Amino acid sequence: KAGVTQTPRYLIKTRGQQVTLSCSPISGHRSVSWYQQTPGQGLQFLFEYFSETQRNKGNFPGRFSGRQFSNSRSEMNVSTLELGDSALYLCASSLSEDFPEQFFGPGTRLTVL
Amino acid sequence: GQNIDQPTEMTATEGAIVQINCTYQTSGFNGLFWYQQHAGEAPTFLSYNVLDGLEEKGRFSSFLSRSKGYSYLLLKELQMKDSASYLCAVRDPVGGGGNKLTFGTGTQLKVEL
Repeated sequence: KAGVTQTPRYLIKTRGQQVTLSCSPISGHRSVSWYQQTPGQGLQFLFEYFSETQRNKGNFPGRFSGRQFSNSRSEMNVSTLELGDSALYLCASSLSEDFPEQFFGPGTRLTVL
Repeated sequence: GQNIDQPTEMTATEGAIVQINCTYQTSGFNGLFWYQQHAGEAPTFLSYNVLDGLEEKGRFSSFLSRSKGYSYLLLKELQMKDSASYLCAVRDPVGGGGNKLTFGTGTQLKVEL
């Protein structure tokens, strides 16, 4: 069974631009969560989608948004990029609440110049 | 909110046993995860505890005491490949269900000869 895939793997943007990251969960998994990982803050929860609905949201500004499609694939968007948005963005999928183990993708390394 | 504490770094010898502690102060609790993350890679699932007690899985064991807000990960017969960051994460008891995780900053374990 294929794991979680994320595209692109690396991205370089400049301040003020916007970016869209994509995540394809493990087949059959309906929950997709997004995390931001930085050396200073560690892994921080952004949001979770389940059956095309945002179920949970972390403490990030409204510039960070996401969505989930009917095939469970998810995208996250960051608008008006800031230097501090440079991070590894990780996507994780899980089967359901009864099986909460989250499987992480390889991440997208975003650099904002 | 959630506050999770774990040591920043630990060093141990190949073949030895090491215990990585995690304490948490949370407004609620719905399970605790341990993940392993090698440098430049995605986190991989190690264990999930929701009830008090010890869960053993090969060379890895995880313990939970909900009354004390305490967990530990025990690694036996250490191998060089166990050198990695070990992340403790608490699952939030969100009313609408879901898989929101709050992570500690991780314990960097170095295994030496």
